[in-house]
Amino acid sequence: DIQMTQSPSSLSASVGDSVTITCRASQPISDYCNWYQQRPGKAPTLLIYLASTLHTGVPSRFSGSRSGADFTLTIANLQPEDAATYYCQQGYSTPTFGGGTKVEIK
Amino acid sequence: EVQLLESGGGLVQPGGSLRLSCAASGFSIRTYAMNWVRQAPGKGLEWVSGITSSGTKTDYADSVKGRFTVSRDDSRNMLYLQMNSLRPEDTAIYYCANPYTGFYGYIVNWGQGTLVTVSS
Repeated sequence: DIQMTQSPSSLSASVGDSVTITCRASQPISDYCNWYQQRPGKAPTLLIYLASTLHTGVPSRFSGSRSGADFTLTIANLQPEDAATYYCQQGYSTPTFGGGTKVEIK
Repeated sequence: EVQLLESGGGLVQPGGSLRLSCAASGFSIRTYAMNWVRQAPGKGLEWVSGITSSGTKTDYADSVKGRFTVSRDDSRNMLYLQMNSLRPEDTAIYYCANPYTGFYGYIVNWGQGTLVTVSS
């Protein structure tokens, strides 16, 4: 199975900051990386698909990019409602998720 | 409005069985692959199983292969997960999920989940 190594596992930032979360795929997956947000007690929701395409209705402060096997989720101008856990997921083969990044607002 | 509503979770003893159901509304699952994804308490997400739109191909995580079976009834707009030989490590919230293209695709719709607890 393809492993997605996600980092950091947690971070704390202030409102207005920009934060970056990274996933590294253990094998080439082209652009088949997706990002989800999960607020406490809720189901995940799709943020970005195919590495960099923003899902409908997702604020433009969220963005995704790819450099080789490394995939990045950036949240610009962090807002209080962005406090959540974020997961990457590869869809190149049998799906696997990264371990998650918990984002806390200071 | 698209909705996925899971049911069938509960407390079961190790070695027991459960059948989860997912009722879709607001769209027809007929043209979509469907997935099950789970989340153990306080842990991350784990893809469990997927089934193609035709129902002819299924796939499973190694952790459940040979014990779980996914199926669908498009006439009822329903997805199922038959879980046998349950183990304590199967304890999790199980989400029904609707990927956009094939069961490897990005998941656009999620249910609210149903909790399965495997314990004696």
